[in-house]
Amino acid sequence: DIQMTQSPSSLSASVGDTVTITCRASRTIGNYLSWYQQRSGKAPKLLISATSILQSGVPSRFRGSGSGADFTLTIANLQPEDFARYYCQQSYSVPLTFGGGTKVEIK
Amino acid sequence: QAQLVQPGAEVKESGASVKVSCKASGNIFSDNYIHWVRQAPGQGLEWMGWINPKTGGTNFAPKFVGRIFMTRDTSTTTALVDLRRLTSGDTAVYYCAATPGRDGYTHWGQGTLVTVSS
Repeated sequence: DIQMTQSPSSLSASVGDTVTITCRASRTIGNYLSWYQQRSGKAPKLLISATSILQSGVPSRFRGSGSGADFTLTIANLQPEDFARYYCQQSYSVPLTFGGGTKVEIK
Repeated sequence: QAQLVQPGAEVKESGASVKVSCKASGNIFSDNYIHWVRQAPGQGLEWMGWINPKTGGTNFAPKFVGRIFMTRDTSTTTALVDLRRLTSGDTAVYYCAATPGRDGYTHWGQGTLVTVSS
């Protein structure tokens, strides 16, 4: 199985800040990496697919980058609605696997 | 409007089975694979497997092989996951999610809370 190591597990930030979440795969996964946002009590929402493709309706302050085994989600100009938990997922090979999640909290 | 609709909750006893449904509307059923992902209370996301609604073909995470079954009813555009020999460790919210291939889940059901009592 491909292990997805996400860091940090939590972070505190203020509105307007820029934050970065990283996701490292245990082996190369090409660009088969997606990012999800999950607000409390809700289903996850796809933000970015194929490493860097922003989904329709997702604000441009979200940016995905990376290649091989190392990936990054950057959120610029953090807004109140961005305080949530974020997950990465690899779809390179089954079993598909998720990172452990990053909780973005208000400082 | 394309969406996935799931029942709200199920309560089962340890050792029993649970079948969770996921009704698809719009073109979801014809254009996507349906995956199942679960989330234990306070925990992260865990992939369980997928079904191809067109062919009925399935692929499961190894940890569930032998006690998970996925089917679909094309007449009602409903996908179902059947998990057997439940334990308290299966208590979780079960989500269905749709993807056209390998590029992330564009649609999610609202989740079904399955509670397993011992």
